[in-house]
Amino acid sequence: QQQVKQSPQSLIVQKGGISIINCAYENTAFDYFPWYQQFPGKGPALLIAIRPDVSEKKEGRFTISFNKSAKQFSLHIMDSQPGDSATYFCAASMIKGNTPLVFGKGTRLSVIA
Amino acid sequence: NAGVTQTPKFQVLKTGQSMTLQCAQDMNHEYMSWYRQDPGMGLRLIHYSVGAGITDQGEVPNGYNVSRSTTEDFPLRLLSAAPSQTSVYFCASSRTANTEAFFGQGTRLTVV
Repeated sequence: QQQVKQSPQSLIVQKGGISIINCAYENTAFDYFPWYQQFPGKGPALLIAIRPDVSEKKEGRFTISFNKSAKQFSLHIMDSQPGDSATYFCAASMIKGNTPLVFGKGTRLSVIA
Repeated sequence: NAGVTQTPKFQVLKTGQSMTLQCAQDMNHEYMSWYRQDPGMGLRLIHYSVGAGITDQGEVPNGYNVSRSTTEDFPLRLLSAAPSQTSVYFCASSRTANTEAFFGQGTRLTVV
């Protein structure tokens, strides 16, 4: 049972374009949705996170959009740069109960010049 | 400012051997966890701990043991290595399960 479904598996975007990665979740009790970025040979690192009391959160070129009714959230990378080439993971968990993060399977992003 | 330190970085084991992957954090985090990363499978939780003396199983716990005798350390033991345990292992720590998780650099394990 995959609790967080992430798509696409891989994505190629031109430099300056918009990268969009989508995630869907099943458990309506989830209330914490982070995105992690991983470069080759490194551990994942937190990029941005959102809680369901807001529909959008922006940090620089990175934006999370959250649709509670559809049980979906997405990561938008504006003005994508070659340095953004990495694997991105969405995740979800429940704040109450201190439950572990459940990760999506990841999206490998390649930004080409 | 070390953060989360994993040792070793690389390891080759023969089938049936046992070993311990070490994980230490210096941020006084209560919450620690172990994940394995396989191509196309994302990060799968093996075991986690909400504090010293408390551990629980994750999604893929079979073949692995953990203990948490101190806040700083959370070792992962492979009891009898199998080729299916060939993977990259990540340890992470955070204040709680729902705050920023800091990951180690990973241990690449090959079981032959």
